[in-house]
Amino acid sequence: DSGVTQTPKHLITATGQRVTLRCSPRSGDLSVYWYQQSLDQGLQFLIQYYNGEERAKGNILERFSAQQFPDLHSELNLSSLELGDSALYFCASSVENTGELFFGEGSRLTVL
Amino acid sequence: GDSVTQMEGPVTLSEEAFLTINCTYTATGYPSLFWYVQYPGEGLQLLLKATKADDKGSNKGFEATYRKETTSFHLEKGSVQVSDSAVYFCALTRLRTGNQFYFGTGTSLTVIP
Repeated sequence: DSGVTQTPKHLITATGQRVTLRCSPRSGDLSVYWYQQSLDQGLQFLIQYYNGEERAKGNILERFSAQQFPDLHSELNLSSLELGDSALYFCASSVENTGELFFGEGSRLTVL
Repeated sequence: GDSVTQMEGPVTLSEEAFLTINCTYTATGYPSLFWYVQYPGEGLQLLLKATKADDKGSNKGFEATYRKETTSFHLEKGSVQVSDSAVYFCALTRLRTGNQFYFGTGTSLTVIP
């Protein structure tokens, strides 16, 4: 158990819909990272938050948004969903200055 | 910018075979280097790391040496087991507050009995 909790574990929805994925980092970790993993794209970095502030953006679509709340949990919002958004979405948190990422088990999104 | 390139997969080996997965990086200065492993149905987890040149990271029989002169961090294991079947990711980061991570594309390893 990494200590990072993601919900839901599985989600099936239709094209055009909107979903929210939730992540609770390990206690004390200030940084939260979101990654998308699909079969053909590998592990893609989406966005990073540090203590409530956006720190870095990767290949995140405009239809996607995220935020980190004062209690440090984070949510990834995916809207106007397309078939190609079907993937495993991982959240990770990190211990400051050690370089170690702790990953959650992921949220598997299927868009039909 | 910083980046990591790792060997394309998939790799299939027989049990007890020798494993090498190549990883090279592009970065200025002295980043920290990592290998993460993803077992089927799970998230990634840290396998080993090295934070300075010539450091050797090791864990569970796996080893990797930080080679500044060749900008490489190749993963090796002398005798793989079926339980080593997983996807292996090379990664790079800088040890500073709010650090970003750069991952390779992942190499899938299947070990057959």
